Amino acid sequence: DIQMTQSPSSLSASVGDRVTITCRASQSFNNYLNWYQQKSGKAPELLIYGASSLHSGVPSRFSGSGSGTDFTLTISSLQPEDAATYFCQQTYSTPLTFGGGTKVEI
Amino acid sequence: EVQLVESGGGLVKPGGSLRLSCAASGFIFTNAWMNWVRQAPGMDLEWVALIKSTAVGGTIDYAAPVKGRFTISRDDSKNTVFLQMNSLKSEDTAVYYCTTGGGTFGLDYWGQGIQVTVSS
Repeated sequence: DIQMTQSPSSLSASVGDRVTITCRASQSFNNYLNWYQQKSGKAPELLIYGASSLHSGVPSRFSGSGSGTDFTLTISSLQPEDAATYFCQQTYSTPLTFGGGTKVEI
Repeated sequence: EVQLVESGGGLVKPGGSLRLSCAASGFIFTNAWMNWVRQAPGMDLEWVALIKSTAVGGTIDYAAPVKGRFTISRDDSKNTVFLQMNSLKSEDTAVYYCTTGGGTFGLDYWGQGIQVTVSS
């Protein structure tokens, strides 16, 4: 199984800050890396797929980068509505595995 | 608009069974890969099962903790995916989400989730 490790597990930042979350995979794969946002009590929503492609309707302040085993989600200018938990996930092979999540507080 | 609506959850005793359904609309269901993902209270997301589209053979796969107890299936004539859950354990207690996708494009749409509680 591919293990996904996210860091940090939580962070606190101010409106307008640039925020970076990292995800490391236990083995290399070809960009089958996705990022999700989950707000309290709600279902997760896809933000980024294929490591760097923005899902439909997602604000452009969100971006993804990386390849191989190391990936990054960046929020260029944090907004109040970005308070949520963010998860990375690989869809390269089953079992599809998620990172442990990063809770972002404003 | 893509909609995924789960039903069939509830409270069940250990060893019991439940059948979850997910009714889909707003996209071509026959082409879609469908998944179930669960989240126990305060815990991380856990992928449960995948069924690929019939066009690519309808391949099925399961997470190890549910293999042999859960069965995923689809009815393309009704745009519905199912999860039959047998021999339920307390550790199966979670919110279960139906999702589309997998592979290159991630899990692109999610239902609102449905609670399954296994308790005596």
